[in-house]
Amino acid sequence: GAGVSQSPSNKVTEKGKDVELRCDPISGHTALYWYRQRLGQGLEFLIYFQGNSAPDKSGLPSDRFSAERTGESVSTLTIQRTQQEDSAVYLCASSFVQGSTDTQYFGPGTRLTVL
Amino acid sequence: GDSVTQMEGPVTLSEEAFLTINCTYTATGYPSLFWYVQYPGEGLQLLLKATKADDKGSNKGFEATYRKETTSFHLEKGSVQVSDSAVYFCALSDKRGADGLTFGKGTHLIIQP
Repeated sequence: GAGVSQSPSNKVTEKGKDVELRCDPISGHTALYWYRQRLGQGLEFLIYFQGNSAPDKSGLPSDRFSAERTGESVSTLTIQRTQQEDSAVYLCASSFVQGSTDTQYFGPGTRLTVL
Repeated sequence: GDSVTQMEGPVTLSEEAFLTINCTYTATGYPSLFWYVQYPGEGLQLLLKATKADDKGSNKGFEATYRKETTSFHLEKGSVQVSDSAVYFCALSDKRGADGLTFGKGTHLIIQP
């Protein structure tokens, strides 16, 4: 079966532009997570979705960041008016259920570069 | 808030050497603990996990024991191989919280033949 997929794999954009990152979770996984990994840093948790419940947005770094998920399928992370500090690898993960012991499976990430 | 601290890299060892990568954590609840590995050019993969005190996670010759008294989850392997070269991340998930993982900064391990 396919793993978590993300697109694009690389994105270069100019400061001030909007970008949209996409994540396709493993089929049947109800929970979906977004993380950010800046160069030389660990992963920073951004947001998660569980089924049709409203997402916890408290981890999003600013109001320029938003995320959506349709049911239990694809999710998009949108960054508006990108800044250079948004340059990072954005990782998506999914798990079968939401819970601390459930293994999160990660996608390959989208490398975002803001010039 | 929760945090994970792991030894800075890079760590360079010769093949067949003994490996320890230290990891300590701070959490308000009773977290589950994880080691993830990222091989060159690949995505993050779960290596092993432990969900309660004194549990030992193991996989591919790697082991880590959940030590509540020292808030540690050190990764060990008795004899490393060149193929173990990767970046290793220690992480926790607080059962009270938002269920996102809290990661350490990662340790780059280089194994020389």
